Amino acid sequence: DQQVKQNSPSLSVQEGRISILNCDYTNSMFDYFLWYKKYPAEGPTFLISISSIKDKNEDGRFTVFLNKSAKHLSLHIVPSQPGDSAVYFCAASTGGGNKLTFGTGTQLKVEL
Amino acid sequence: DTEVTQTPKHLVMGMTNKKSLKCEQHMGHRAMYWYKQKAKKPPELMFVYSYEKLSINESVPSRFSPECPNSSLLNLHLHALQPEDSALYLCASSQDRGFNTEAFFGQGTRLTVV
Repeated sequence: DQQVKQNSPSLSVQEGRISILNCDYTNSMFDYFLWYKKYPAEGPTFLISISSIKDKNEDGRFTVFLNKSAKHLSLHIVPSQPGDSAVYFCAASTGGGNKLTFGTGTQLKVEL
Repeated sequence: DTEVTQTPKHLVMGMTNKKSLKCEQHMGHRAMYWYKQKAKKPPELMFVYSYEKLSINESVPSRFSPECPNSSLLNLHLHALQPEDSALYLCASSQDRGFNTEAFFGQGTRLTVV
């Protein structure tokens, strides 16, 4: 039972354009959401998070949007840079607990 | 210092071996985690330690034995593993069980069981 889903396994974007990565969840108890970036053979690196009391959080080039009614969140990266090429995981947790449930990941490729 | 350090980076072990994975953080975090990641899959939680006590065990086989000697260190003792246990093992830490705390991950140990 995959409670956090990223339906696009890959995404290709031109440098300078916007990258939009999507994530859907089924567990309505999730109240904290995070995005991680992962390079091969490395651990995930935290990018940005959002709590369920907000619908938008912005940090530099990264913005996360949360639509609770649709159980959907998205990560916008603008402008996209070649160094952004990596696998992006969304993750969710409930009630301030420790357990993160990860999505299946989206491979982003930013082309010159 | 925002680093979680894992050793070794790579490990090859036989099915009868005993080995240990080590993890260290000096961020004052009181929650530490072990995750397992297979190729092209998301990380899956194995264990959570909160304030040096095991708080979550996600039904992990007993051939994996975690240990938290102090608030900065986390070990994973391995014994009689199977080839299907080959994976990237990730350690993470976070501030505590409070709300809005993100986990910081180490680079992982790539484990191969032969």
